[in-house]
Amino acid sequence: QVQLQQSGPGLVKPSQTLSLTCAISGDSVSTNTVAWNWIRQSPSRGLEWLGRTYYRSEWYNDYAVSVKSRVTINPDTSKNQFSLHMNSVTPEDTAVYFCARVSSSNYGLDVWGQGTTVIVSS
Amino acid sequence: EIVLTQSPGTLSLSPGERAALSCRASQSVSSSYLAWYQQKPGQAPRLLIYGASSRATGIPDRFSGSGSGTDFTLTISRLEPEDFAVYYCQQYGSSPPEFTFGPGTKVDIK
Repeated sequence: QVQLQQSGPGLVKPSQTLSLTCAISGDSVSTNTVAWNWIRQSPSRGLEWLGRTYYRSEWYNDYAVSVKSRVTINPDTSKNQFSLHMNSVTPEDTAVYFCARVSSSNYGLDVWGQGTTVIVSS
Repeated sequence: EIVLTQSPGTLSLSPGERAALSCRASQSVSSSYLAWYQQKPGQAPRLLIYGASSRATGIPDRFSGSGSGTDFTLTISRLEPEDFAVYYCQQYGSSPPEFTFGPGTKVDIK
C-alpha cells in the first residue's frame, strides 16, 4: 500500500521560501511509470496543480506556468522522498498543500498526502 | 489552458436518490485524461474515476463516469450517507503539461 507523508512548517513569512517534503512508502521516487506532484488548495484559487518530478532514465520536471519562476520540485533518492520549494511567497500563497502520485497508465492522482496548511504571514 | 466548468454548484438530494454532476471543458479533452475526485472536509481528494469512465480501485459501482469531447458526467446511482461531499473533475493536458481542476460540485443532504 503506497502512502505519502508530508512534513514542513505551517507558517512562512512573506518574501521567504516555503519548503515541504513528501516521504514515500510502498513505492519508489524512481519508479518509471509514475510522477510525483504538488497541488495546493485555497478558497480563492480552488485546486491548483503546481508541478511534478518523474524519472524516465533521467529526471524530468514540469511546472505550472503560474508559478514556474518561483517553484522547484526535487527528488531525493537516498530518502525516497521529494520536496517543494517556493520562493518569494506572499499571502496569496496561503493554502493547503498536497503531494500526490499520478500513474502514467491512467493520469489519475491516485495517492495523496494528508495535506499541510501553510499560512504566509509576518 | 483548458478551463473546466462544473454544474450545478450545489446539488441538494436525499439518500437513495440519483445524482448527475456535469463537467464541461473549454476545448476538447482526451477521454483518457479526464478524472473525477471526491473530497470530504479536512481530507485530501480521493480518486473515483479515471479515463472518463473507469472506476479506481475500491470505488463502489454506484459511481459511474461518462462523456467525451467537452462534456462529461459523473453519476451516483443511489446516494449513500457517505457520498455527501464535494466532487471535482480534472483533466491532464500535455502541451504544456498541466493538470487543471474544475471548481467543484457540492452534494449536500436535502
